[in-house]
Amino acid sequence: ETGVTQSPTHLIKTRGQQVTLRCSSQSGHNTVSWYQQALGQGPQFIFQYYREEENGRGNFPPRFSGLQFPNYSSELNVNALELDDSALYLCASSLAQGLDGYTFGSGTRLTVV
Amino acid sequence: GENVEQHPSTLSVQEGDSAVIKCTYSDSASNYFPWYKQELGKGPQLIIDIRSNVGEKKDQRIAVTLNKTAKHFSLHITETQPEDSAVYFCAASKGAGFQKLVFGTGTRLLVSP
Repeated sequence: ETGVTQSPTHLIKTRGQQVTLRCSSQSGHNTVSWYQQALGQGPQFIFQYYREEENGRGNFPPRFSGLQFPNYSSELNVNALELDDSALYLCASSLAQGLDGYTFGSGTRLTVV
Repeated sequence: GENVEQHPSTLSVQEGDSAVIKCTYSDSASNYFPWYKQELGKGPQLIIDIRSNVGEKKDQRIAVTLNKTAKHFSLHITETQPEDSAVYFCAASKGAGFQKLVFGTGTRLLVSP
C-alpha cells in the first residue's frame, strides 16, 4: 500500500507567476484535501475534492484552484503568486467517511521571491 | 467557525518522563479529534485519534482523553524517548470525511537523554 506522494518537493517561483503542485492519494482513498502550512504554524485548510468535485473550501482567494482526476490524484494551482504564498503545501487523502483518518504527504515547499 | 487552541507551545522533558499537551475547541458539533506528529522536513503523521462517542483511547505509550462538556482534549505520552522529539498538532473536525481539519498551533516537544 503506497502512501500520499507529492511533487515537486521544493519549488522557487517569482512573484506574479503561476504554479501547479501535484498529489497522488493513498491507494483506496477517494478524497483529497490541500493544506497550507506557513513556517511555525499549523496547517490551514485550502479545499477538498471528492469524486472530482470541490466539496469544501477554506478562506483562500479564487487564485487558489484545484483539480481531481478519475484516479483520485489531484493538482493545486496558484495564480499570481504573492510573497505570502511561501509555505509548505500539504496534500491529505482519506476515505469518503474519514473512517481511517487523513494521511498526509510530505509536502511541497514553495518559496516565492 | 471552529477555533482550536493548543498549549504549551514548547515542552521540554527528560527521557522517561511523561508529557501532556492540551487543546480546546470552540465548536460543540466537532466530533473527530486527531493528533499528528510532524518531524522536520516531513508531513504530519497521524499518531492517535478519538471520536466524540469515546472518552479515552490508548495505544501503547500514547493516550488521548476527551472532555466534551469542557470542549477539551489532551495527548499523554508516557516513558518519553528522544525519538518522540517533534512538533505535535491537535486538530478538530465535524462530520465524517468531507469536513476540514482545524489545527492547533503546535507544540514542540524536546526529549533530552
